[in-house]
Amino acid sequence: RKEVEQDPGPFNVPEGATVAFNCTYSNSASQSFFWYRQDCRKEPKLLMSVYSSGNEDGRFTAQLNRASQYISLLIRDSKLSDSATYLCVVNTDKLIFGTGTRLQVFP
Amino acid sequence: GAVVSQHPSRVICKSGTSVKIECRSLDFQATTMFWYRQFPKKSLMLMATSNEGSKATYEQGVEKDKFLINHASLTLSTLTVTSAHPEDSSFYICSASGGDPSSYNSPLHFGNGTRLTVT
Repeated sequence: RKEVEQDPGPFNVPEGATVAFNCTYSNSASQSFFWYRQDCRKEPKLLMSVYSSGNEDGRFTAQLNRASQYISLLIRDSKLSDSATYLCVVNTDKLIFGTGTRLQVFP
Repeated sequence: GAVVSQHPSRVICKSGTSVKIECRSLDFQATTMFWYRQFPKKSLMLMATSNEGSKATYEQGVEKDKFLINHASLTLSTLTVTSAHPEDSSFYICSASGGDPSSYNSPLHFGNGTRLTVT
């Protein structure tokens, strides 16, 4: 089993749609969790950290379920500029990256 | 603005030559930096952890004699790909934590990456 698993997608959604990404991790000792965004041929950029209490940043909501070892990212009112690959990242003694979920928002 | 600078952003070299990639933290001191590589449509894979003033820690399967890492100062780490071969062609990215590197809750800042093509 991979340490961090994500649905690779692609998710093709129209502008204005709500889309949810899921991620599972295998190491129950993992301490912190992040979502990164990576545009094509660019470096990853931190989107948001993920907390058990859930956190929201504008149109983006992240949630962590430690019991199920599951992380989610919800994007509301999708914009064309949201098109990118979203990487789930888990920190145990080092950062482990998921393979990413590709999102394509169309007009 | 960028907090981690990586140079060069793109390099093409011939087989057998060596290539040096620099990674600088711009406005903070980074006792620990990380080097990743990424193949097309694949995730980032940690190659090694660069520790200022001491030897780098390499991940399993990464040849330390081929990928030389030097972290001589608190703001600079270098990765040298020695005797490069076409299979070394990849996207190499460095990163550093802006906070306490031993803190689990410190997110990473990434350099803009180096696309290496070995012909």
